[in-house]
This record gives sequence, C-alpha cells and structure tokens, in this order.
Amino acid sequence: GEDVEQSLFLSVREGDSSVINCTYTDSSSTYLYWYKQEPGAGLQLLTYIFSNMVMKQDQRLTVLLNKKDKHLSLRIADTQTGDSAIYFCAERRSSASKIIFGSGTRLSIRP
Amino acid sequence: KAGVTQTPRYLIKTRGQQVTLSCSPISGHRSVSWYQQTPGQGLQFLFEYFSETQRNKGNFPGRFSGRQFSNSRSEMNVSTLELGDSALYLCASSQDRVNEKLFFGSGTQLSVL
Repeated sequence: GEDVEQSLFLSVREGDSSVINCTYTDSSSTYLYWYKQEPGAGLQLLTYIFSNMVMKQDQRLTVLLNKKDKHLSLRIADTQTGDSAIYFCAERRSSASKIIFGSGTRLSIRP
Repeated sequence: KAGVTQTPRYLIKTRGQQVTLSCSPISGHRSVSWYQQTPGQGLQFLFEYFSETQRNKGNFPGRFSGRQFSNSRSEMNVSTLELGDSALYLCASSQDRVNEKLFFGSGTQLSVL
C-alpha cells in the first residue's frame, strides 16, 4: 500500500499478547483502521479509531494511536489459534474518500 | 442483513478476453469501492462509485472500468486481459462517502492464463 507501512510477519505463542505495528505518513488522516483477512476470505473490519483519539479498547483488542509519530498499533490479548490471519492497517485521508491499506502483517500462532 | 455479495467467486480467463465482475452492497449502502489484491502489490484502490457516478479513481489503465446502477449494485469490467491482471478483486460498501466503516465482500479470484 502507498505510504502505510507494516512488518510482514509476526509469530507469537498461544496465550501471549500480539502487538502489530503500523506507520503512516499523512497527517490529515481522519480515521485509522485494522482489518483482518483469513484465508480465502475478504477483509473483516476489526476496529477503527478517530484521529483525535489516543486509545480504543474493544474486548481483547486495544488500539493505540501516536499521532505525533504517525504510529498505530493493535494489541490482541490472550492470542488464540483463531487469530491466525493477515492484519491490515489502513487510513482514510480527509482529502479523499479512498482508504489506503498497508501490505498486511501475517500473524502466526505457535503452541 | 446480508453482507456484501460478489459474483462469481472464481473466474478463469485467457489473455485478451474481457471479464465483468459483480458486487451487491449491503442493503442501504450507497457507496461502492473496488480494490485489487495481489501478493506483490497488496491492496490497490481501483475506483469508488456513489449515486451512479465515479467519485474517485486509482492508478489503473483504462482497461479497468466500472459502473453503478440505481439500486447501488456495481460492476467492474476489465478488457483485453493480461497475465498481470490475475488477482483477488474485492468490493467494499459503506453507507455513504463520509461514513467511516467500509465492509468487504469475499472477493472474486480472477486467474488469467
């Protein structure tokens, strides 16, 4: 994706927390998103955060936004095998309606 | 409420042919966007339609086109297919152009031989 960067792979032990990181470049971004893609499926919206927020928690998911550093993270607590998927960070810029996606982070869970 | 529906699920074509993909958005959603997903390029924005008008376009050649009907259903067309057009084509819908939530279909996997 253009201007949204993520690491490609992350491996965590079952039961541990996973932290997936993302950086973006456009300071005018209004919304930042995390999507999940399982094999053979489309993208599922997990959570999103408005650009004037710092943190959002939703059950096992915690999103942290550092607007100064243009850094977004997704923490998954108590990671389970069902969390194995590709996680995409995305931003919506105020100047255009399109949503720009990162390349995705493949999360694998080891026993 | 039914989700975003894309048809067909899989498609095999040969070089030079053309293809039409269909997308039915969630009921009540008026904005439809299309994305191309490939292992090398990730998710690339193709175009967005709202009220039967193309509102936004990505950096794709003119062989890629689309349209939206009055019931918000959308189609995209790729003419003169090339091997590099092999990809998962994803459609997404939202209530309107400013709504923050974008919901995706399962995609159409296009293979060009």
